[in-house]
Amino acid sequence: GESVGLHLPTLSVQEGDNSIINCAYSNSASDYFIWYKQESGKGPQFIIDIRSNMDKRQGQRVTVLLNKTVKHLSLQIAATQPGDSAVYFCAESYNDYKLSFGAGTTVTVRA
Amino acid sequence: DSGVTQTPKHLITATGQRVTLRCSPRSGDLSVYWYQQSLDQGLQFLIQYYNGEERAKGNILERFSAQQFPDLHSELNLSSLELGDSALYFCASSAQGAYQPQHFGDGTRLSIL
Repeated sequence: GESVGLHLPTLSVQEGDNSIINCAYSNSASDYFIWYKQESGKGPQFIIDIRSNMDKRQGQRVTVLLNKTVKHLSLQIAATQPGDSAVYFCAESYNDYKLSFGAGTTVTVRA
Repeated sequence: DSGVTQTPKHLITATGQRVTLRCSPRSGDLSVYWYQQSLDQGLQFLIQYYNGEERAKGNILERFSAQQFPDLHSELNLSSLELGDSALYFCASSAQGAYQPQHFGDGTRLSIL
């Protein structure tokens, strides 16, 4: 699989490989985190969320890891498919209202 | 389909004009949020309404205002438009209760000529 230790704006992944998208969040008080996928011409689409009392959560082909010590969030996508090509955003929330979004990572899946 | 509906999809207007963007939240959602997405600023929170009342404000200009109606749909009003207001405007809604994800509509693309 391919992984990125630091946040990079783009990630190119071979179809079928696993991919890891990283995000550093800013507010140590944030207690809720969400990953979104945004395709061209569409709004952000909810992928998976995690609360600050957890460090890992799994969904269908996706896993989110939270490291509060270093304020780091990652999204792992298993067996990346062409339909996974999109911009991925992490978002953080404190006290349950507004979302603060990261800069986004553009994922391109190579056939 | 997120269940959040935004109209219109595209708006083209001139500087100095006023426009209204409309949002219908998912059925049952009481909270509505407005965000602006531009190339240089990314996704920025503007304002939140809960069951008709303003709950939180973010980086919203004084020229912009919003409201949520009794049927829970929301409108974002942008006035005295400037070139820099060209952006995508998204509405999101969330269910009642803590730690509920926000679900986004497909946005309104506003172009100021």
